[in-house]
Amino acid sequence: AQSVSQHNHHVILSEAASLELGCNYSYGGTVNLFWYVQYPGQHLQLLLKYFSGDPLVKGIKGFEAEFIKSKFSFNLRKPSVQWSDTAEYFCAVTGSQGNLIFGKGTKLSVKP
Amino acid sequence: GAGVSQSPSNKVTEKGKDVELRCDPISGHTALYWYRQRLGQGLEFLIYFQGNSAPDKSGLPSDRFSAERTGESVSTLTIQRTQQEDSAVYLCASSLRPGTDTQYFGPGTRLTVL
Repeated sequence: AQSVSQHNHHVILSEAASLELGCNYSYGGTVNLFWYVQYPGQHLQLLLKYFSGDPLVKGIKGFEAEFIKSKFSFNLRKPSVQWSDTAEYFCAVTGSQGNLIFGKGTKLSVKP
Repeated sequence: GAGVSQSPSNKVTEKGKDVELRCDPISGHTALYWYRQRLGQGLEFLIYFQGNSAPDKSGLPSDRFSAERTGESVSTLTIQRTQQEDSAVYLCASSLRPGTDTQYFGPGTRLTVL
């Protein structure tokens, strides 16, 4: 069965630091990949998604992710984080019913 | 509506009681999903509706869980004889079509079983 691993449980950064959150998935075939974010007190919302084409995907708020098929990875990056990026970040892959299979999430705390 | 709505936002119940959670998807969205998030764990897929049909119920944690959907609108998730391990945030999401379309999430229902 498909699974998603997010290796960082909690990341603490200072403002302007660069961010990279790891995500690995288990399936070797065609995959649809997502990063969702949940800001404190808000709904889960989509940051970016990859279905096909350019493996470097750009999302909202300056985030990007790179699909590396050989590494089964879809890491999320941002060159310079802001305090407002404090949130929980979830990587996900599409399952057999079109459902999302999520990783356990990474909490990002950005110190002002 | 503007987004996916869920009710109630919070529910506290006693062990053994039945609860019903409601989800109103975005109008026109044919696909509807239920997930739950237990403390310290990721989101766990429960069930999916295409229209009012749920092709696969194997993701439901036990036979105490059931769900239905009326047409392409409201869905209810019912938990009978609640147990403490049912305590979680139950999230609903909808998408225009199943599969690759973006899923839009509701605010969730926080269920606490005492």
